[in-house]
Amino acid sequence: QAQLVQSGAEVIKPGASVKVPCKASGYTFTSYGIGWVRQAPGQGLEWMGWIHTYNGNTNYAQKFQGRVTMTTDTSTSTAYMELRSLRSDDTAVYYCARREQVATLDYWGQGTLVTVSS
Amino acid sequence: QSALTQPPSASGSPGQSVTISCTGTSSDVGGYNYVSWYQHHPGKAPKLILYDVNKRPSGVPDRFSGSKSGNTASLTVSGLQAEDEADYYCSSYANSNTFDVFGTGTKVTVL
Repeated sequence: QAQLVQSGAEVIKPGASVKVPCKASGYTFTSYGIGWVRQAPGQGLEWMGWIHTYNGNTNYAQKFQGRVTMTTDTSTSTAYMELRSLRSDDTAVYYCARREQVATLDYWGQGTLVTVSS
Repeated sequence: QSALTQPPSASGSPGQSVTISCTGTSSDVGGYNYVSWYQHHPGKAPKLILYDVNKRPSGVPDRFSGSKSGNTASLTVSGLQAEDEADYYCSSYANSNTFDVFGTGTKVTVL
């Protein structure tokens, strides 16, 4: 059974960066992509982008281009999402999910709450 | 890329059916048969309930069904149960630049 485990909550100061890990287990890591989705308080789900785990190619939503970097460490089956120049409206729960195919996220992490506050 | 449009809320009594629409454009919903639906209980991870418009992952009851006509996809939940009360989001492939886009979300209430 595939499982994605994310780190605990973080409080980050405005202007700083956060790097959220997502450790995968129970399947061949490089056979599926990893997508990242966030949900701000009281808001809906928002697609951030995804990474091809077998070659590291990335596709970012236009809104986050220039501020987000998605990477993987295949030796530990871990994906990372780094978001820079954080603002208060970046406060959200950040989810990683296995991208089984186009527009299909079949296994999700439990989410990481990132709070941007001084 | 704008979010797909869903009604903010929908409701039904136990045993009844509820249908949620998801409206996009010919560049996303209307252009591809890559529409997925997710069920999201607050505080939990979203759960995939439909993909490729109308396919159910293993373990998802057949009370959940999907369809698409033109630029609008729909999710129908038949035989509503108390545990179906949740937020539901559609998602569609958009194009090779944008990739995926979510709907605005619909809160389903079981009366």
